[in-house]
Amino acid sequence: DTGVSQDPRHKITKRGQNVTFRCDPISEHNRLYWYRQTLGQGPEFLTYFQNEAQLEKSRLLSDRFSAERPKGSFSTLEIQRTEQGDSAMYLCASILAGGGEQYFGPGTRLTVT
Amino acid sequence: QKEVEQNSGPLSVPEGAIASLNCTYSDRVSQSFFWYRQYSGKSPELIMSIYSNGDKEDGRFTAQLNKASQYVSLLIRDSQPSDSATYLCAVLDTGRRALTFGSGTRLQVQP
Repeated sequence: DTGVSQDPRHKITKRGQNVTFRCDPISEHNRLYWYRQTLGQGPEFLTYFQNEAQLEKSRLLSDRFSAERPKGSFSTLEIQRTEQGDSAMYLCASILAGGGEQYFGPGTRLTVT
Repeated sequence: QKEVEQNSGPLSVPEGAIASLNCTYSDRVSQSFFWYRQYSGKSPELIMSIYSNGDKEDGRFTAQLNKASQYVSLLIRDSQPSDSATYLCAVLDTGRRALTFGSGTRLQVQP
């Protein structure tokens, strides 16, 4: 257990539905990252926050995706109008700003049917 | 486009042997490198970090870095069946400090 938690661990949804995932980072870590991993690939960067500010979004993050980190604590990632191509493992990681080692949560596996 | 390349494997070694996993990266200014282990259906687990040229040892694991050749490797000594997993090489982007991952090498340790 790295101290990063994610909820839910699994989500099955029908195409066109909205889903929201939550990540709780290690408490003293002020940077939080979202990655997406599909089968046979390494995780790919989606977006990151320093405290409550979202500093960068990957071009992988279409307009259907939105992320928030209110008060610089937990973060949510919402996908609107899900598509089958959104099926993946969504991973959250946290790090101290200036630090090097990122610790991942257990991930949320999304299946869009 | 910053890239990290790994042989997808599978790399099969007998129990007790040394497993050698390799990784190359494209961004010459990269300074921080990591190896993660990922069991099927689980999230990546950090096992080694390396920041300077040379070797870094931690238990049965040794990470090797050669910045001139843009090459990182991981050696696993006395391989055990429980080491069977996918090993991901990751390079830290110095700006946003996000990780760029290779696609991973699948290691199989045969009892």
